[in-house]
Amino acid sequence: DVKVTQSSRYLVKRTGEKVFLECVQDMDHENMFWYRQDPGLGLRLIYFSYDVKMKEKGDIPEGYSVSREKKERFSLILESASTNQTSMYLCASSTTWDSYEQYFGPGTRLTVT
Amino acid sequence: AQSVTQPDIHITVSEGASLELRCNYSYGATPYLFWYVQSPGQGLQLLLKYFSGDTLVQGIKGFEAEFKRSQSSFNLRKPSVHWSDAAEYFCAVVGSSNTGKLIFGQGTTLQVKP
Repeated sequence: DVKVTQSSRYLVKRTGEKVFLECVQDMDHENMFWYRQDPGLGLRLIYFSYDVKMKEKGDIPEGYSVSREKKERFSLILESASTNQTSMYLCASSTTWDSYEQYFGPGTRLTVT
Repeated sequence: AQSVTQPDIHITVSEGASLELRCNYSYGATPYLFWYVQSPGQGLQLLLKYFSGDTLVQGIKGFEAEFKRSQSSFNLRKPSVHWSDAAEYFCAVVGSSNTGKLIFGQGTTLQVKP
């Protein structure tokens, strides 16, 4: 069974802290994605990666960075968390060779106080 | 640029009634289209997808969708809604065939009345 896991379901951090959100997939997918989801705004793409060590900015990359050192793991980094980064963060993976369907993790609800 | 529009932000239907959620896309070539569902506090789950062939696509949980090229639409339907269908629904189109990047609509929240 296909699986995408995220390191935390709920996370509370203080303003200015460095925050790591981890995502792991077990499907050998080459593509991985980070989204944030806010009420009324749908899913907005932050960053994506189409290969190890490769990354591209999505629609809202400001304030975020990513790391992909291994094919199965894609990390989202908030260098200095701010209250406007309080959101639901969703990770997904896909393979270009099989329909582009994205498989999603359960999400991390991050609160920055 | 590719885009997806879901005109209805919120829909309420009675249990047992039929359902249609609208999705319009903007894409130059033949689109690859998806419908996802998100239950409260959960990730997204694929309901169905369209790539080519039969324009009426069957999905999980009794859902179907019809691709209409002339109307640039991919509406989701269910003949009889169950209370467990209350969720948020997202339509998406493949924005890049190189990276698999998807373009999502803003979502439609479905409420089901008993």
